[in-house]
Amino acid sequence: SQQGEEDPQALSIQEGENATMNCSYKTSINNLQWYRQNSGRGLVHLILIRSNEREKHSGRLRVTLDTSKKSSSLLITASRAADTASYFCATDLIQGAQKLVFGQGTRLTINP
Amino acid sequence: DAGITQSPRHKVTETGTPVTLRCHQTENHRYMYWYRQDPGHGLRLIHYSYGVKDTDKGEVSDGYSVSRSKTEDFLLTLESATSSQTSVYFCAISESAEQYFGPGTRLTVT
Repeated sequence: SQQGEEDPQALSIQEGENATMNCSYKTSINNLQWYRQNSGRGLVHLILIRSNEREKHSGRLRVTLDTSKKSSSLLITASRAADTASYFCATDLIQGAQKLVFGQGTRLTINP
Repeated sequence: DAGITQSPRHKVTETGTPVTLRCHQTENHRYMYWYRQDPGHGLRLIHYSYGVKDTDKGEVSDGYSVSRSKTEDFLLTLESATSSQTSVYFCAISESAEQYFGPGTRLTVT
C-alpha cells in the first residue's frame, strides 16, 4: 500500500486564493518531499523538509511537518493559473537508501 | 527535464514482445530510477541503480529487468510485455535526496 496519502484528491479554487494540500504517511521518515507534475510532463521537485524540521518556506510555498501525527501540508499562497498541476508528496524512509515512496497526488485546478 | 532524456517517448507494442526503454543522463548522478505511473496508484518504483552494474528491485519489479553498464544509461526491459504493463514510465536521477525526472515514455501493450 502507498506510504503517503494526499488529501484532497482534487481541489479547485479561484486565482489569488490559497491552496492547501495534506499528506499523511504511516512509518517513520528521514525526510518528506513535495513534487509538482504538469499534465503530460515529468515530476519537478519543489521542496524537501527533514524529519527534524517543522516548517519550511520557498517563495509562495510553505510546508509543515508534524512527525507526531505523521502528516505534512503544502500551502500555495496567492495561487496563479500556472499552479494548475498535480502535487505529490514523497517520503524517504531510510537515510542513505535514496528511495522515495510517492502518494497518489492532489489534482489542483486554479480557475481564472 | 534538463539533463535527462528518455527514448522512445511513445511506443505501441504487442503482448508477448520484449521492449526496452532507455534513460540517458548528462548530469553524472549516481542514482537512477525507473517508475511507472498509473491512475489511482501514483508513482511506483520498479527498479533502481546506485552505481554502474549495481541495481536493486523496487515495489513492482516482476516482469521487468534493468541494466546499467555506464553511468549515463539505465535500461528498462519488459521481457514479455503484457497488457498490465501499459503505463507511463518515468526515469529519475539523484545525487542526494532530491530526484529529477525525465519526460516519460508512454507505453501501450495491445
